[in-house]
Amino acid sequence: QKEVEQDPGPLSVPEGAIVSLNCTYSNSAFQYFMWYRQYSRKGPELLMYTYSSGNKEDGRFTAQVDKSSKYISLFIRDSQPSDSATYLCAMKSSASKIIFGSGTRLSIRP
Amino acid sequence: DTGVSQDPRHKITKRGQNVTFRCDPISEHNRLYWYRQTLGQGPEFLTYFQNEAQLEKSRLLSDRFSAERPKGSFSTLEIQRTEQGDSAMYLCASSLEGGNFYEQYFGPGTRLTVT
Repeated sequence: QKEVEQDPGPLSVPEGAIVSLNCTYSNSAFQYFMWYRQYSRKGPELLMYTYSSGNKEDGRFTAQVDKSSKYISLFIRDSQPSDSATYLCAMKSSASKIIFGSGTRLSIRP
Repeated sequence: DTGVSQDPRHKITKRGQNVTFRCDPISEHNRLYWYRQTLGQGPEFLTYFQNEAQLEKSRLLSDRFSAERPKGSFSTLEIQRTEQGDSAMYLCASSLEGGNFYEQYFGPGTRLTVT
């Protein structure tokens, strides 16, 4: 079993829809939870990170962490075609390296 | 552009050949990481440096792989006797030391194809 599980998609939604992306994990020592966006043939770029449980909002993006369920989510409101990319969840403990999920391919239809 | 740069962007090589990739991190960053990413997967950690010192290596880094960061600035990743299974995107990232969380900035990657 992988430490971090992520549905690979692809996920296709119409422009303006709310998108929900999710990951589950097994290592209870993880404390830092991240979402990266990766466009085709580019390196990942950090969108948001959260320490421990709770919500964090940044513009159209909201990250949620539920440590009791070992479940994290990223919500994208008012989705735009430019949001079409692969979204990678990632997490780490204070001492460990970053462990990435396999990524969810998202397509926003105009 | 002051981001992380990697060279070459693409490399096609025949099985058994040696290849070397270069990464130039953001200039003030003292940590440098190498990752491998295969199609449909997230990046997998290979190794990282703090300044010149290689502090951790993944079990994925077989004896055919070697990484260096001789002056604490750019880094090279060499793969000897390449195999078809080495075909992947090799990503470099850099960050500043400090605290428990530090953003890693990724380069565009070097895509390796072994024929």
